[in-house]
Amino acid sequence: DAKTTQPTSMDCAEGRAANLPCNHSTISGNEYVYWYRQIHSQGPQYIIHGLKNNETNEMASLIITEDRKSSTLILPHATLRDTAVYYCIVRVGGSQGNLIFGKGTKLSVKP
Amino acid sequence: DAGITQSPRHKVTETGTPVTLRCHQTENHRYMYWYRQDPGHGLRLIHYSYGVKDTDKGEVSDGYSVSRSKTEDFLLTLESATSSQTSVYFCAISESSGLPGLALHFGNGTRLTVT
Repeated sequence: DAKTTQPTSMDCAEGRAANLPCNHSTISGNEYVYWYRQIHSQGPQYIIHGLKNNETNEMASLIITEDRKSSTLILPHATLRDTAVYYCIVRVGGSQGNLIFGKGTKLSVKP
Repeated sequence: DAGITQSPRHKVTETGTPVTLRCHQTENHRYMYWYRQDPGHGLRLIHYSYGVKDTDKGEVSDGYSVSRSKTEDFLLTLESATSSQTSVYFCAISESSGLPGLALHFGNGTRLTVT
């Protein structure tokens, strides 16, 4: 699996957009980008995934650069409940799903 | 939340004793996983199962065994617990659709302390 690089921590003001970057410069053509988050003392939660095109769901938007070497997860209106560790994972789609989680980005949403 | 129940939620045990953690799902998903989470290491895969009686090792399988006799239950056993196995253990499930949106759904974890 391609390696990902994320900042260790980020802050965001409540109500503003949170933009979380991820670098995956060694991504291969059949690898998808997945985002999960983990709120303190809970299990990780799936957010979104994408291959080439930008994706949006009820939780977030995923912007993938044209060369696919980096992506950004956008939480459009961050709330205090979005404070969590966010994991960017690159994995071949359709595989057995044993995703490998790195250390992620600790997002702190402040009032 | 996906129908995943981990038991117990908390356990304290002594070094050298056997411990079994249980993961129960009501989603009828084919794949089940056990992860451990430790400060500075993130989530690491211990073992996973791709069907009844079908299991395989993950990244950190030494000292652990698993069993899956029914679709809904996946057991993780520490045959002889050691202090290095103090951790938070998460169970996860996923469908075997073969499609890229193969999201993992996690339980709320078991906090195990080995003294």
